[in-house]
Amino acid sequence: DQQVKQNSPSLSVQEGRISILNCDYTNSMFDYFLWYKKYPAEGPTFLISISSIKDKNEDGRFTVFLNKSAKHLSLHIVPSQPGDSAVYFCAAGGINRDDKIIFGKGTRLHILP
Amino acid sequence: DTEVTQTPKHLVMGMTNKKSLKCEQHMGHRAMYWYKQKAKKPPELMFVYSYEKLSINESVPSRFSPECPNSSLLNLHLHALQPEDSALYLCASSHVYGYTFGSGTRLTVV
Repeated sequence: DQQVKQNSPSLSVQEGRISILNCDYTNSMFDYFLWYKKYPAEGPTFLISISSIKDKNEDGRFTVFLNKSAKHLSLHIVPSQPGDSAVYFCAAGGINRDDKIIFGKGTRLHILP
Repeated sequence: DTEVTQTPKHLVMGMTNKKSLKCEQHMGHRAMYWYKQKAKKPPELMFVYSYEKLSINESVPSRFSPECPNSSLLNLHLHALQPEDSALYLCASSHVYGYTFGSGTRLTVV
């Protein structure tokens, strides 16, 4: 049973436009959510997180939106840049910060020149 | 120091070999993790250490043996691995709202 779902395996966006990466989850006990970016042969890099008590968190070009009633979150990147081309993983965790986080399968983002 | 350092970066080992992967962080994080990542798949949790004690073992075969000698170090001892164990092994430590990952050890079992 996939608790964190990223239904789009890949996404292509023109440079300068907005990239929107989506993620759905099934477990209502998750209380914080994270986005990671991963280049080939490297470890995931933390991008941005959001607690379940918020519906939006912004950090520079990256904004994460959380819709708890829909169990849906999204990552917006604006404007998209060539260096944003990577695989983006959505992840979710529970109240216990020492517990595991569950990753989605990732979405490969291609920024087109 | 805001990094998780993993060594070696690459490792090739035979199925009869014994080797160890090392992970180190000096951020004062008290939870540390081993993840395994196969190509084009998300990282899969293997072990969680909390305050130097093993708190989660995700039914990992005994040929993988974790060790946490102190709050800054995490080892993964490998013995009698199979070719299907070839993967990127990631170490992470956690803070309030996120994990910090190391760059991983690319393991090839021949």
